[in-house]
Amino acid sequence: DIQMTQSPSSLSASVGDRVTITCRASQSISSYLNWYQQKPGKDPKLLIYAASSLQSGVPSRFSGSGSGTDFTLTISSLQPEDFATYYCQQSYSPPWTFGQGTKVEIK
Amino acid sequence: QVQLQESGPRLVKPSGTLSLTCAVSGGSISSSNWWSWVRQPPGKGLEWIGEIYHSGRTNYNPSLKSRVTISVDKSKNQFSLKLTSVTAADTAVYSCARVETAPIYYFEYWGQGTLVTVSS
Repeated sequence: DIQMTQSPSSLSASVGDRVTITCRASQSISSYLNWYQQKPGKDPKLLIYAASSLQSGVPSRFSGSGSGTDFTLTISSLQPEDFATYYCQQSYSPPWTFGQGTKVEIK
Repeated sequence: QVQLQESGPRLVKPSGTLSLTCAVSGGSISSSNWWSWVRQPPGKGLEWIGEIYHSGRTNYNPSLKSRVTISVDKSKNQFSLKLTSVTAADTAVYSCARVETAPIYYFEYWGQGTLVTVSS
């Protein structure tokens, strides 16, 4: 299985801050990487697919980059509705695996 | 807009079988999509369980393969999950999802998820 490791596991930030979350794969996965946002009690919402493509309807303050083993999700200016847990997921080879999540909390 | 809704018993006894159904609305289960199950134990991350295509072809997570069966009922526009020999470690929120495979594989639509507790 391909292991996905996110860092940090949690972070505290203020509204307006620039936030960066990192995801590392245990082997090269090219650009087969997706990012999801999950709020408490809700199902995950796709933000970014194929490492850098913004899902329709997702605000442009979200962006993704990277390829191979190292990937980044950036929120350019954190908004109140962005406080949530973020997961990366590899779609290079099954079993499809997720990172352990990064919880973004209010400072 | 595609919507998915999980249903089934919320409490299962140890060594029993967990059974859930995912009803699909706003789209056809016979579309060119895979249909998947994902679970999330309380306070933990997401784990992919397996998936099915409308033809009946399935893929399972090797860690669960010996205990999992996913099936499809095209007449009811739904698919189902069975997990046998459950233990407390199988307590989780179980969610169904529609998979998009172009340009790459991703979970596009999700159900709300249902908490299934394994306890006597």
